[in-house]
Amino acid sequence: DIQLTQSPSFLSASVGDRVTITCRASQGFITYLAWYQQKPGKAPKLLIYAASTLQSGVPSRFSGSGSGTEFTLTISRLQPEDFATYYCQQLNNFPLTFGGGTKVEIK
Amino acid sequence: QVQLVESGGGVVQPGGSLRLSCAGSGFAFRTYILHWVRQAPGKGLEWVASIRFDGNTKHYADSVKGRFSISRDNSRNTLNLQMSSLRAEDTAIYYCVKDQGTKYSLCMDVWGNGTTVTVS
Repeated sequence: DIQLTQSPSFLSASVGDRVTITCRASQGFITYLAWYQQKPGKAPKLLIYAASTLQSGVPSRFSGSGSGTEFTLTISRLQPEDFATYYCQQLNNFPLTFGGGTKVEIK
Repeated sequence: QVQLVESGGGVVQPGGSLRLSCAGSGFAFRTYILHWVRQAPGKGLEWVASIRFDGNTKHYADSVKGRFSISRDNSRNTLNLQMSSLRAEDTAIYYCVKDQGTKYSLCMDVWGNGTTVTVS
């Protein structure tokens, strides 16, 4: 199974900050890597797929990069509505796996 | 609009069974891979099961293999999850999820609001 390790698991940031979250895969060459945002009490929302493609309707301050086994999600200027938990996911191989999540909180 | 609506959650005793359903609308239901993803209270996301557009290929997480069965009825735009031999650790919100892909998973682009299963 492909394990995904996200770091950090928690970060405290201010509005306007640039934020970077890392996702590392335990093996393989991941092509289908997605990022999701989840707010409390809500279903996850797709932000990025295929590592770097922005989902329609998602603000351009979100971007994804990386290849192989190391990937990043960047929020260029954090907005109040961006405080949430973020998950990466690999869809290359079954079992599909998610990272443990990164909770972004207000400093 | 594209929508997935889950139903069937509830409280069940350990060892019991439950059937979840998901009604899809606003898209070509029969075209896409569908998934169930769950989230235990205060925990992260866990993929449970997937079914290809034609229902011919299914995959399960090891944690539910042999106990859960995923199926779909494309004539009724419905996805199902039959759960048996339920355990306390199956307690979670269960999300019905649409994939962007048809034969191969690409990403999970539409999520239902979830239905809660409590095993106690």
